[in-house]
Amino acid sequence: QVHLVQSGAEVKKPGASVTVPCKTSGYTFTNYYLHWVRQAPGQGFEWMGMINPSDGRTSYAQNFQGRVTMTRDTSTSTVYMELSSLRSEDTAVYYCVLLDVWGKGTTVTVSS
Amino acid sequence: QSVLTQPPSASGTPGQRVTISCSGSSSNIGSNIVSWYQQLPGTAPKVLIFNDNQRPSGVPDRFSGSKSGTSASLAISGLQSDDEADYYCAAWDDSLKGSWVFGGGTKLTVL
Repeated sequence: QVHLVQSGAEVKKPGASVTVPCKTSGYTFTNYYLHWVRQAPGQGFEWMGMINPSDGRTSYAQNFQGRVTMTRDTSTSTVYMELSSLRSEDTAVYYCVLLDVWGKGTTVTVSS
Repeated sequence: QSVLTQPPSASGTPGQRVTISCSGSSSNIGSNIVSWYQQLPGTAPKVLIFNDNQRPSGVPDRFSGSKSGTSASLAISGLQSDDEADYYCAAWDDSLKGSWVFGGGTKLTVL
């Protein structure tokens, strides 16, 4: 079955960038879009964008345009989400999502 | 402010039936499928309902989904204490370039 494996946690300073990996398995990597969604502490979910692993094409949410980059590595069936110019409001759990299967999430803390 | 509107809280006693609503618009619920997720504290969301009213294998038939026009509902019958969680609806939204939109979540308390 589908597995989405994410790293545990990252701590970054304001202004820095973070790259969150999501290693996939259990299905044909190039067949389905992979989404990124984040959840700030005590808040709901915010869609960040998606990537087509087949050709690398992306679509980003307006709120993240210019700050987010999603890429993929077909040799390892891994997708990456890079968020730059981090600020304290970016402190959140970042999830990769395939169809209705969610990874366990990566906690990103932005603090000076 | 979430694109989809859910009540912030709901409650019921064990054995009771509760319903959680999710209101949207023609660009999301009105034209795309709805999913429902359950989130226990400190964990990732788990899908309860997909394609408006389909249950993945392993989800009890106490959980059911429905949709009419631009609104959707999640019903939980035979309420159990471990149903206490946050519940979220979600749907694709066709406006602008398209985006995945969520409800603000409903905290279900089992009294």
